[in-house]
Amino acid sequence: EAGVTQSPTHLIKTRGQQVTLRCSPISGHTSVYWYQQALGLGLQFLLWYDEGEERNRGNFPPRFSGRQFPNYSSELNVNALELEDSALYLCASTRRGLVSGANVLTFGAGSRLTVL
Amino acid sequence: AQTVTQSQPEMSVQEAETVTLSCTYDTSESNYYLFWYKQPPSRQMILVIRQEAYKQQNATENRFSVNFQKAAKSFSLKISDSQLGDTAMYFCAFMNDDKLSFGAGTTVTVRA
Repeated sequence: EAGVTQSPTHLIKTRGQQVTLRCSPISGHTSVYWYQQALGLGLQFLLWYDEGEERNRGNFPPRFSGRQFPNYSSELNVNALELEDSALYLCASTRRGLVSGANVLTFGAGSRLTVL
Repeated sequence: AQTVTQSQPEMSVQEAETVTLSCTYDTSESNYYLFWYKQPPSRQMILVIRQEAYKQQNATENRFSVNFQKAAKSFSLKISDSQLGDTAMYFCAFMNDDKLSFGAGTTVTVRA
């Protein structure tokens, strides 16, 4: 079974630019979560998509957005990049939401974004 | 809002010895789930162990075990017989209402 795949693995952008990160969940998983892992910080919850809809978002400005496609893959878009957006962006998938606790998140290897 | 606190930024342990990582959390909920995830240098987050709050018995997965103290809101991870492959960053996580909140992590280094 293929795992959660993310692309690109590394990228460098400059302030003010825009970036799109992509995530393909495990086959059969309908929920996708996005997390930001900045250096020295834990994982900060960004967004949760399930069945094509945004279900929840973390405490991030509106320039962080995304979507989920009919095949359950997802994109994370960040506009007007700032230096502090430099981080590892992790995508995770699960069969459904985590409500029951029976489902566990499976993570991808992440996309390392550097903003200069 | 839930908060997860890992008070040990770094831990070092000799191979074959035991290390315990601490985690405390704050919540007003009675039903929730707790997790320990491992992130090796490869960056892939891997689930180590899971604990359901309504279960009093501490979870165990091979060399990994937890000490869950619900009243104290404490959820520590014990790694027994440490191996070089255990070197990684370990995150404690709290799950409730479809949201998984993570602590800042503890870097564990296993010395040969």
